[in-house]
Amino acid sequence: QSVLTQPPSVSGTPGQKVTISCSGSRSNVGFNSVSWYQHLPGAAPKLLIYTTNQRPSGVPDRFFGSKSGTSASLAITELQSEDEGDYYCAAWDGAHSVIFGGGTRLTVL
Amino acid sequence: QVQLVESGGTLVQPGRSLRLSCTGSGFNFYNYGMHWVRQAPGKGLEWVSVTSHDGSESYYADSVKGRFIISRDNSKNTLYLQMNNVRNDDTAVYYCARVRPLRVLRGWLDTWGRGALVSVSS
Repeated sequence: QSVLTQPPSVSGTPGQKVTISCSGSRSNVGFNSVSWYQHLPGAAPKLLIYTTNQRPSGVPDRFFGSKSGTSASLAITELQSEDEGDYYCAAWDGAHSVIFGGGTRLTVL
Repeated sequence: QVQLVESGGTLVQPGRSLRLSCTGSGFNFYNYGMHWVRQAPGKGLEWVSVTSHDGSESYYADSVKGRFIISRDNSKNTLYLQMNNVRNDDTAVYYCARVRPLRVLRGWLDTWGRGALVSVSS
């Protein structure tokens, strides 16, 4: 598997909730922790979620990570215009490599 | 504050070599593993390589194995990526990123640089 599977795009209106899925296999999502990254235009990628469901300080509790089996999800509640950008999941694949999702473009309508 | 700054990005011909650098500040660089991650134009993030806090353990993506070498000089707070025999499909913005927790290799990427652009073209 070369990348974790994410939907290419999701959209929502301000105040809504959106969910981004991340599908992998036993060797990555199934066995290892998942992290999520936000990549806004012109900026460095930013850590949103680590160890599947933990938020770094400064990340609003509108962002929520979860995992079940070989699939993980990122939920964003109370959608805001500044949330618009690209979102990536990632996990270690076995013990010797890291695999990213293909990325999901979030559009706030 | 914690900061990572990449440098060395340039236009390079196929088959040539170049070295990227990533300098860390605002933290004890020697305590952290470090990654290189790249993004080709119009594409998603692709993991390239990782090295442990002391450089004793390193791994590579299949796409760069045998051509790229990751290294670090903790006395200079600097991470390197030696890119040899570059190909057109190595064209990308290259990001360095710090690993958390301390002295753990298989953690998460908590701080990223803004990237360095490498363009491979004849």
